[in-house]
Order: sequence, then structure tokens, then C-alpha cells
Amino acid sequence: QQQVKQSPQSLIVQKGGISIINCAYENTAFDYFPWYQQFPGKGPALLIAIRPDVSEKKEGRFTISFNKSAKQFSLHIMDSQPGDSATYFCAAKVNQAGTALIFGKGTTLSVSS
Amino acid sequence: NAGVTQTPKFRVLKTGQSMTLLCAQDMNHEYMYWYRQDPGMGLRLIHYSVGEGTTAKGEVPDGYNVSRLKKQNFLLGLESAAPSQTSVYFCASSPTYSNEQFFGPGTRLTVL
Repeated sequence: QQQVKQSPQSLIVQKGGISIINCAYENTAFDYFPWYQQFPGKGPALLIAIRPDVSEKKEGRFTISFNKSAKQFSLHIMDSQPGDSATYFCAAKVNQAGTALIFGKGTTLSVSS
Repeated sequence: NAGVTQTPKFRVLKTGQSMTLLCAQDMNHEYMYWYRQDPGMGLRLIHYSVGEGTTAKGEVPDGYNVSRLKKQNFLLGLESAAPSQTSVYFCASSPTYSNEQFFGPGTRLTVL
């Protein structure tokens, strides 16, 4: 059973455009929702994260939108740049010691110049 | 600080051979994790540890064993490698006070 579903699998966006990646979860006990960014040949790195007590979190050009009732959250990348081309993973976790992140399957983003 | 390091970076095995992947972290983190990454499958948790001397199974533990004899090291073992274990393996660590996981650079393993 896939607990975190991510879409789309791949995305091509023009430079300066908005990239949107969506995730849906099933376990209502999840209360930490991060996005990780991975460049080719590297390990994933935390990009931005949100807790369910807020509906939106913004850090620079990156924004997480969170809809608790729909059990969905999304990553918006404003003014997308070629340097944003990477694979993005959403994840979810129960805020309890010893629990691990559950990752989505990833979205490969290509920003064309 | 080196962060999370993984040894080796690349390895080719024949079916049935054994090997150990080493993960080391210098951030004094309590929690450590092993994931495998396959195309279109995301990151799947193999085993994890919440402290020295403790380990637990993740989503895909079959065919792997782990040990955490020292806080800074987390070893992943393959006793009898199979082609289905061809993958990129990532180690991660996290402190008790944060949910953020810090990943190593990965080990690309090919089993022929």
C-alpha cells in the first residue's frame, strides 16, 4: 500500500514559469511533510517542510501548500530556473521518536532555458 | 564536518557474493537509516536504527542485515547478493530533536 502518492512523474517547465508537484497521503497520523531535492549523483537534501497546523509555508521561490481535509500537499516553485532541474520527493512522517520518513516516488523536473 | 559518508561509492558483485556497505556520520546523530533507490520507485526504507546497538526493519528488509555497534557507524550487509539488489543505496542520519534527515552521497551497487 503506497502511503504517499506523488504526481506527476516528470515535468517540463519553461524558465520563469511555475512548477507544481502534488502529493496525497492516507495516514492521518502523519504530521510532518517535507520536500527533498536531489541532483544527479547526489543524495537527497531537505528543501522545505511543513506541519499540518499551517496551510502554507514559503521560503524564497519555494512554497508548500497544505490541505489537511483533502490529505494533500503540493510544492510550488516560482520563477523556475534551469538550476532547479532535479528530482523532487515529497515525504511524510509521524512525529514520534524512531519513526521514519515515507517517500513518494519522485518527480523529475526539467526547466528549459 | 564531513556529514554522512558512504563507502564504497561503486561496487559490482556476482550473484551469491557478499558485501558490506559502511555508513559513517560525524554529527552525533542518534537515528540512522538505510534506503534503496530504484527508478520510478522513490526511496524505500530497508532498515533503521534509533540508537547504538538497536536496529529495526523497514519496508524492504529481506536479503539485508544491519549492525550499529558504534553510534557513528551503520553497516548494511548483503549475505548472498541477487540481481534484484542492484540499486543505489543511501544512508541517512537525523538527530533526536529534528525530523530532518541528512543523506550521504550514495553507493551504486550492480549485481550480475
